[in-house]
Amino acid sequence: QAQLVQSGAEVATPGASVRVSCKAPPETFTNYGLSWVRQAPGQGLEWLGWISGDNGNTNYAQKFRGRLTLTRDTSTTTVYMELTGLTSDDTALYFCARGSPYGTRYYFDVWGQGTLVIVSS
Amino acid sequence: ETVLTQSPATLSLSPGERATLSCRASQSVGRFLAWYQHKPGQTPRLLIYDASNRASGIPARFSGSGSGTVFTLTIRSLEPEDFGIYYCQQRSNWPPSITFGQGTRLEI
Repeated sequence: QAQLVQSGAEVATPGASVRVSCKAPPETFTNYGLSWVRQAPGQGLEWLGWISGDNGNTNYAQKFRGRLTLTRDTSTTTVYMELTGLTSDDTALYFCARGSPYGTRYYFDVWGQGTLVIVSS
Repeated sequence: ETVLTQSPATLSLSPGERATLSCRASQSVGRFLAWYQHKPGQTPRLLIYDASNRASGIPARFSGSGSGTVFTLTIRSLEPEDFGIYYCQQRSNWPPSITFGQGTRLEI
């Protein structure tokens, strides 16, 4: 059973950055890559972007371009999400999930447990 | 960007009734449409992919239909545990991206 394990909750001040990690099984990391999805309080699900574990290619939702950076560590099959210029609107539960904006595996069938990011002064 | 519009916003039904949830896309997404159930404190659960294929372990009372721009999730004979927020999700060919609908809250 594929399992995605995320890092713990983060508290950040407005204007700062946050980095969240997601460790994936090697097969998921290499064959699917990982997306990031968030849910702000009282809001719906929102896709942020995707990274290929195989070659590091990325695809960012237009809304987050310039503020979002996805990277990966192939030695530990871990992907990282860094979001800069935080505002209170970025307070949300952030999920990594198996699914890609390319090809037929666009749906998210495996999810991390979620990481709460709170932006507060 | 392809926009998904879900209706109704809220659906209040009783156990045993049939639920019909709608998802409309601003442009054709073919059959690249998935449905999720999301309950408070849990991770979203994939129900349907490719418009009509049930994901592993999903009960037969959940079914999906549609193609192009109009899609429907039907829950036949509601169970008390079917409460939650239901989202549709698509992927676009160009530019390659993913979007979710705004969700339908199902109250049992």
